[in-house]
Amino acid sequence: QKEVEQNSGPLSVPEGAIASLNCTYSDRGSQSFFWYRQYSGKSPELIMFIYSNGDKEDGRFTAQLNKASQYVSLLIRDSQPSDSATYLCAVQSNFGNEKLTFGTGTRLTIIP
Amino acid sequence: NAGVTQTPKFRILKIGQSMTLQCTQDMNHNYMYWYRQDPGMGLKLIYYSVGAGITDKGEVPNGYNVSRSTTEDFPLRLELAAPSQTSVYFCASKGRGGFYEQYFGPGTRLTVT
Repeated sequence: QKEVEQNSGPLSVPEGAIASLNCTYSDRGSQSFFWYRQYSGKSPELIMFIYSNGDKEDGRFTAQLNKASQYVSLLIRDSQPSDSATYLCAVQSNFGNEKLTFGTGTRLTIIP
Repeated sequence: NAGVTQTPKFRILKIGQSMTLQCTQDMNHNYMYWYRQDPGMGLKLIYYSVGAGITDKGEVPNGYNVSRSTTEDFPLRLELAAPSQTSVYFCASKGRGGFYEQYFGPGTRLTVT
């Protein structure tokens, strides 16, 4: 059973601080990693994806991947109240497999 | 583009009833997916399709059926509804290639009582 694990939270972070969200995965052959944001009652929307070891930055968001440790994280700098949502980590096992395995999500609350 | 559309938005079923959840995408995507999301949980894959006429089971297919007669449409059929099927159902689609994102529809909230 391929698993993706996240701390369910809730994670509370003061406005303006850095929010750090973590995800571990069990399938060592996993190739692509996605972070989705889901507001309450809404559908998931893609924030970042990463497939190479290291950091990938997009605005206030940075995804970090460490395949040796089977660990992927999402950092949100200068956190805003609008960042309050559930963040879902998703893993694609290999490039020929077009399915994603989702974690249970981390609920993030930004405190004004 | 409307993206991925789902109907209905809400539905209440009685135990044993059947229904079809509709999903349509207008992005000419090959891949389509059905997920269910239970409260406080992540997304569980029910069925997926890699193109018209081709479908396969996901992680939790029992109690559901799908068909894919066209590129655009991917309906999900619930037969003999059970309370365990109370959930939010999301349809998603994706273009060809590993790095392409899955685009999600707005979801259908289903209650079986």
